[in-house]
Amino acid sequence: EAEVAQSPRYKITEKSQAVAFWCDPISGHATLYWYRQILGQGPELLVQFQDESVVDDSQLPKDRFSAERLKGVDSTLKIQPAELGDSAMYLCASSLSSNQPQHFGDGTRLSIL
Amino acid sequence: AQTVTQSQPEMSVQEAETVTLSCTYDTSESNYYLFWYKQPPSRQMILVIRQEAYKQQNATENRFSVNFQKAAKSFSLKISDSQLGDTAMYFCAFYNQGGKLIFGQGTELSVKP
Repeated sequence: EAEVAQSPRYKITEKSQAVAFWCDPISGHATLYWYRQILGQGPELLVQFQDESVVDDSQLPKDRFSAERLKGVDSTLKIQPAELGDSAMYLCASSLSSNQPQHFGDGTRLSIL
Repeated sequence: AQTVTQSQPEMSVQEAETVTLSCTYDTSESNYYLFWYKQPPSRQMILVIRQEAYKQQNATENRFSVNFQKAAKSFSLKISDSQLGDTAMYFCAFYNQGGKLIFGQGTELSVKP
């Protein structure tokens, strides 16, 4: 079964540094999501793409976070500069369209020192 | 604001027994979807079962079934014949008409041999 690919699986970095995560959705999935999951809590949506366009980034801290999906396929989420409170699991998900079930990747666990 | 509440942070069950996980939600919408997702330790989140709000019949997937009470805004998950592989975090999620998936805080289920 096709899966959503994410890398890296783990990332440890110091505060004030830049960090980037990559996601490759299931082929043909037009909708891509980035979530942040703090330990012990449910995921919270950061940004949603429909093809290459941002549909919802209302919860994305735009002063330090950016996301892009230039060709409407894979996507990158960046944090610059990282803060201690950014330590979390970052999940990517994709779906055929916005009203179809979402399929999740394994996530990137970020630790800020 | 739409919210999803899981009031049981942790639960445990003996192998082969039945367990029910609770979930309540708050919305003014009439058409929506509800989901239960499973997140095993260090593994990806997978969809367990989903329910369309306009359907009165409760959804069933093998050993997993839901009790959907629309008027009470309740959506519980019943796991029958629990197996060791059912050990995971379980998240209840609400999908609104705006295309946003809202998760509860999660219930950590341990199946004991």
